[in-house]
Amino acid sequence: EDKVVQSPLSLVVHEGDTVTLNCSYEVTNFRSLLWYKQEKKAPTFLFMLTSSGIEKKSGRLSSILDKKELFSILNITATQTGDSAVYLCAVYNTNAGKSTFGDGTTLTVKP
Amino acid sequence: DSGVTQTPKHLITATGQRVTLRCSPRSGDLSVYWYQQSLDQGLQFLIQYYNGEERAKGNILERFSAQQFPDLHSELNLSSLELGDSALYFCASSVGPRNEQYFGPGTRLTVT
Repeated sequence: EDKVVQSPLSLVVHEGDTVTLNCSYEVTNFRSLLWYKQEKKAPTFLFMLTSSGIEKKSGRLSSILDKKELFSILNITATQTGDSAVYLCAVYNTNAGKSTFGDGTTLTVKP
Repeated sequence: DSGVTQTPKHLITATGQRVTLRCSPRSGDLSVYWYQQSLDQGLQFLIQYYNGEERAKGNILERFSAQQFPDLHSELNLSSLELGDSALYFCASSVGPRNEQYFGPGTRLTVT
């Protein structure tokens, strides 16, 4: 069965700090890894990574995938209180045709 | 606003009852997914449809069923409801199974 493990489970930082969120996976027939942000509502899509070593970047957020070591990291620089959310990692199994989500990392950014 | 709509927003019902949750995907999206999110659990994948056909199944109970109609909207039917079925139910859609998913606002189901 496919497995996605995120760490840490929760994290508290102060505004301006840089954080790194981790996602490791065991998935047969890996196709892609996706990051989502969930505030007090539905998850919203951040990044999709399919190739190893390529960094995806959007403003202060960036992510990289290591297909050899089977993990991804999500970096957030100069954190703001608006970054407070649960960050979810999901991996798509191309044969099973479905995504498996991790339990998420809860990030709290204090002023 | 993701473009995915779900109705109703809230639902309160009694144990043993049956409810139907409805989802309209984003325009142009052929894939629809259903997820359950409880307080003590993460996002649990239930089922996926692509262009009207069931594509993948997750941890969906036998008391639950779903379908996707020709106009691509989807319904999730939950029957013989138990207290443990209380959760937030999300629908998501994507262009295809390999693409990023866009989530609706969810239906909060409370079983009393």
